[in-house]
Amino acid sequence: GAVVSQHPSWVICKSGTSVKIECRSLDFQATTMFWYRQFPKQSLMLMATSNEGSKATYEQGVEKDKFLINHASLTLSTLTVTSAHPEDSSFYICSARPHILAGGTDTQYFGPGTRLTVL
Amino acid sequence: QKEVEQDPGPLSVPEGAIVSLNCTYSNSAFQYFMWYRQYSRKGPELLMYTYSSGNKEDGRFTAQVDKSSKYISLFIRDSQPSDSATYLCAMSASGNFNKFYFGSGTKLNVKP
Repeated sequence: GAVVSQHPSWVICKSGTSVKIECRSLDFQATTMFWYRQFPKQSLMLMATSNEGSKATYEQGVEKDKFLINHASLTLSTLTVTSAHPEDSSFYICSARPHILAGGTDTQYFGPGTRLTVL
Repeated sequence: QKEVEQDPGPLSVPEGAIVSLNCTYSNSAFQYFMWYRQYSRKGPELLMYTYSSGNKEDGRFTAQVDKSSKYISLFIRDSQPSDSATYLCAMSASGNFNKFYFGSGTKLNVKP
């Protein structure tokens, strides 16, 4: 149980284009979903926290107009990197926290990650 | 000073060895302690989850929490090459699973 998927697993795009990454909780409803960024050989850096039907809360230094987050349902959150540039190239990982009524361990369950390369 | 400190390694051990991975922290409000395993180019996978102090065992894995010393450990017995990965510790204050504090991760290499 507690499986989180991400799509796509990797994407290459041209500078200036927008890229959308999907995060789905497959076997549970998620109260809250999180988006992280990870640089090589570094730990996870939280970008934003989103609750279904609400605006995302962004961490300090993360541009909300650059990284658009939509949390449309209790099982789906999307991250759109707008007007991507090479410095946006990174490994993006989402996680999901089960709804209180879903049972199981209350913690964050991570997706497999999406590798974004901007040319 | 970071709130969670973790030796980045790499740690290289022979197959069958006992591995000890550690994290220290400074915030006494942390009550929940997690260990995640992350294979290269994959997302972190929850391995162990403990609340407050004490030990928890799951197969070859044992998690220890010493709140008085602000120190947590993950032991891996009979290590296997498939255990080669980066191990991340994560912590949260009581009831706040929306805010995790991560260690930097320790890269483990188990040689056949």
